[in-house]
Amino acid sequence: KQEVTQIPAALSVPEGENLVLNCSFTDSAIYNLQWFRQDPGKGLTSLLLIQSSQREQTSGRLNASLDKSSGRSTLYIAASQPGDSATYLCAVRHNYGQNFVFGPGTRLSVLP
Amino acid sequence: DAGVIQSPRHEVTEMGQEVTLRCKPISGHDYLFWYRQTMMRGLELLIYFNNNVPIDDSGMPEDRFSAKMPNASFSTLKIQPSEPRDSAVYFCASSQLIGLADLDTQYFGPGTRLTVL
Repeated sequence: KQEVTQIPAALSVPEGENLVLNCSFTDSAIYNLQWFRQDPGKGLTSLLLIQSSQREQTSGRLNASLDKSSGRSTLYIAASQPGDSATYLCAVRHNYGQNFVFGPGTRLSVLP
Repeated sequence: DAGVIQSPRHEVTEMGQEVTLRCKPISGHDYLFWYRQTMMRGLELLIYFNNNVPIDDSGMPEDRFSAKMPNASFSTLKIQPSEPRDSAVYFCASSQLIGLADLDTQYFGPGTRLTVL
């Protein structure tokens, strides 16, 4: 059974810092991995999707990497801003299933 | 498009009552997912549909939960009878053609916060 973990559970940084969020999964037979953002009281918004054949994806100040063999993904946020404050979740989809398995999330606070 | 629409946004009910949550997916999306989010268990997939047909309901916690998708633009998740442990935020999400690169993104609704007293 696929298990997804995220470290750290919570992170507080001053504005302007570069930061890395970590995601680990136990079964490397994944089809893709997706990073989401969730603001308090809101649904999830997709940030980046990495196919299993890809190593990384970039969107603006965000860069997500994938190392399938080691079961890890990182989300790099450059020059963090208070507006980046949210919970970030990673989710993996198996080769053999259609559903996503979500991690517990990392709650990020960027202080002005 | 208005995105995924869910109603109601908040529901407070008493134990034993029937609860019906509603979802309208994004037009043209052929997959629809129901999730439940709690502090203890995080985000869990309950069931998903493809072209209105339930594909995987292994996440549905028990027989008190049922979901239907009578047409491509509407789905319901029903809990009967409701219990306090069902209190959670229930999300609906839709996607288009799972398995095709760049179209695998799930679009989430704002969620329904359910409180069962």
